[in-house]
Amino acid sequence: GQQVMQIPQYQHVQEGEDFTTYCNSSTTLSNIQWYKQRPGGHPVFLIQLVKSGEVKKQKRLTFQFGEAKKNSSLHITATQTTDVGTYFCAGPRETSGSRLTFGEGTQLTVNP
Amino acid sequence: NAGVTQTPKFQVLKTGQSMTLQCAQDMNHEYMSWYRQDPGMGLRLIHYSVGAGITDQGEVPNGYNVSRSTTEDFPLRLLSAAPSQTSVYFCASSYGGRPLVGEQYFGPGTRLTVT
Repeated sequence: GQQVMQIPQYQHVQEGEDFTTYCNSSTTLSNIQWYKQRPGGHPVFLIQLVKSGEVKKQKRLTFQFGEAKKNSSLHITATQTTDVGTYFCAGPRETSGSRLTFGEGTQLTVNP
Repeated sequence: NAGVTQTPKFQVLKTGQSMTLQCAQDMNHEYMSWYRQDPGMGLRLIHYSVGAGITDQGEVPNGYNVSRSTTEDFPLRLLSAAPSQTSVYFCASSYGGRPLVGEQYFGPGTRLTVT
């Protein structure tokens, strides 16, 4: 079946350092979505990318969708303590758009 | 709008008991889904629905039933609880679902323990 893998599983950074998490799918994705989950909370939608090679920015966050639509990345510039949480990517298979598969997530901790 | 609501917040069951986790949304979303979240395993899709009267299985459907008689409600039934079903359960909804599923709005979750 479809697999969506994320690396790294954990990342510890000092406040002000940059952070990147990578998402790779075993199959082509029709779109990629990114979510953030704070400790004890529920996942919250960040962004959706649809086009091959697409790049979108939200303040200090930069999201990329690969040319082959099988990988994606989230980069945070100059992390802050408010960035703490687990970041998930998720994508529906191109052949079955109604089933959303989540990656295992990258847990980010930020030392002040 | 209340968004996506889930009840109960916490539940403890004994092995073999059955129960229903409730999920409701007031955003008129067609697509609703149930996930379970276990440490280090992300979110795994249990069942989903692209509209009232239509349900389908996700990655881990065994031991769970769903129905979608209205647009608003999507209850998840545990038929005979097992310790392996100890998890946090999230309900989510979104516009669309056919052919593409969009931005998911998650409920606050139900933490279930089966002893």
